[in-house]
Amino acid sequence: EVQLLESGGGLVQPGGSLRLSCAASGFTFSSYGMSWVRQAPGKGLEWVSTISNSGGSTYYADSVKGRFTISRDSSSNTLYLQMNSLRAEDTAVYYCAKSGPYFFESWGQGTLVTVSS
Amino acid sequence: EIVMTQSPATLSVSPGERATLSCRASQSVSSNLAWYQQKPGQAPRLLMSGASTRATGIPARFSGSGSGTDFTLTISSLQSEDFAVYFCQQYNDWPRTFGGGTKVEIK
Repeated sequence: EVQLLESGGGLVQPGGSLRLSCAASGFTFSSYGMSWVRQAPGKGLEWVSTISNSGGSTYYADSVKGRFTISRDSSSNTLYLQMNSLRAEDTAVYYCAKSGPYFFESWGQGTLVTVSS
Repeated sequence: EIVMTQSPATLSVSPGERATLSCRASQSVSSNLAWYQQKPGQAPRLLMSGASTRATGIPARFSGSGSGTDFTLTISSLQSEDFAVYFCQQYNDWPRTFGGGTKVEIK
C-alpha cells in the first residue's frame, strides 16, 4: 500500500523559510516522479512542482519559481520542498503526490503552512 | 497556461440520481485529463485518467468521457459517499492546471 507522510509545516513569518518533507513507502520510490500540490484554505488545488524519477528534471509553477526548490533522496525514499521568501499567499495545505510527470496517483494527507506575522 | 473551467460550481442531486459534471479546457488537451474526488478534511483521490480510465478501486458508476476541450464526469446513481468536491486536471502541458471544482451536494 502506498503511503506518503508529509511533515515540516507550521507558522512562519513573511520572508521566512520552511522545508517540507514527504516520507514515501509501499512502492519503488526511484521509479516514479513526485510532486507537490497545494490548497489554500477553502480554495481549489494548485500544482506547485514536480521532479522526475531520477531527479534530473524539475518543473515549477510560475508562482513559486525562484523561491521553492524540489528535491528527492532515493536512499531514504524522501521528497523535499525547500520554500524560501515565503509570502502570505503561500499559506496552504501542501500535499505530496506520487506521479508520473502526468497526473497524481496517490496523495499524502498534507501539511499546513501558514505565513503570517 | 491552459485554463480549466468546471461547471456547475455546485450540483444538488438526490441519492440514486445521475450527476453530470463538466470540465472545459481553454485549448486542446487531447485525452490528457484526470478527475479527482475530495471529501471534507481529506486529501484528493484519483478517480480517472486518460479522460475515461478508472483508477484502481473506483466503482463502475463513475464514468468519464470527452477529448480535446470538453470533458464529462458522470456518476450514474449517486451514493451517500459520493457527495464531495470533484476537480479536473490537465496534464497535456506545463504548468499542470486544475479546474475550480464542482461540489456535489445532497438535494
